[in-house]
Amino acid sequence: EVQLVESGGRLVQPGRSLRLSCTTSGFTFGDYAMSWVRQAPGKGLEWVGYIRSKAYGGTTEYAASVKGRIAISRDDSKSIAYLQMNSLKTEDTAVYFCTRVGPWAAGSTTFDYWGQGTLVTVSS
Amino acid sequence: QSALTQPASVSGSPGQSITISCTGTSSDVGSYNLVSWYQQHPGKAPKVVIYEGTKRPSGVSDRFSGSQSGNRASLTISGLQAEDEADYYCCSYAGSGTWRFGGGTKLTVL
Repeated sequence: EVQLVESGGRLVQPGRSLRLSCTTSGFTFGDYAMSWVRQAPGKGLEWVGYIRSKAYGGTTEYAASVKGRIAISRDDSKSIAYLQMNSLKTEDTAVYFCTRVGPWAAGSTTFDYWGQGTLVTVSS
Repeated sequence: QSALTQPASVSGSPGQSITISCTGTSSDVGSYNLVSWYQQHPGKAPKVVIYEGTKRPSGVSDRFSGSQSGNRASLTISGLQAEDEADYYCCSYAGSGTWRFGGGTKLTVL
C-alpha cells in the first residue's frame, strides 16, 4: 500500500525557516517524481514545487509565488522528500500536501497519491 | 500564471448528472491533454478521479468521466449520490515541470 506521511508543520514566526518531511512507503521512491501542493485555510489548492527522480536529474521546479524561498530535495535511501521553506510570510500559512507524481515512474503528470497534509502557521 | 477557471459551485439532485467546466489557456489545458481532476471532502486530502483528460483510476466509480477540447476540460458525474458532495479541482500540466490548479468547485447534492 502506497503511503505518504508529512511532518514538520508548526507555528513559526515570519521571516523564519521550516523544513517539512514526507516519509513514504509502498513503492520504489527513487523511481518517482514528487511534488508539494498547499492549501491556505478555506482556499483552493496551489501547486508549490516538483522534484524529478534521479534518473531525470533530480532537478526541481517551483511556483513563481515561492521561487527563491523554497527548496525541495529528496533522500532516496530513506524514501523521504523534503520541503525547505525560508523567509516565511504570513501568506505561506497553509496545509502542505506531499504528492507522488504518477501513475508511472516516467512521463506522468498526475498527483496520484497524497499525504494527509501538515499545517504550517506563520504568525507573530 | 493565473489559475484555471472553474465555477464556484454547482448542484444537482440524486440521480442527476452534473458537469464542471475548467477553462485554461493555450499554455496549459490547450497545449497538453493532461488535465486531472481531484475530489476533496472536508478535512481530507484530495483524491484523483480523472487523469490525462479522460482516464479513470482503478477504484473510481465509472460515474465519473472527463473530456477535453481546446482550452477547456470538463468533469461529468452521472447518477449523483450523496457521497459525491465535495470540492472538485481541475489541474493542468503547464510544461517544464509546472502545474496550474483551478479555483475549485463546490458540488452540492440537493
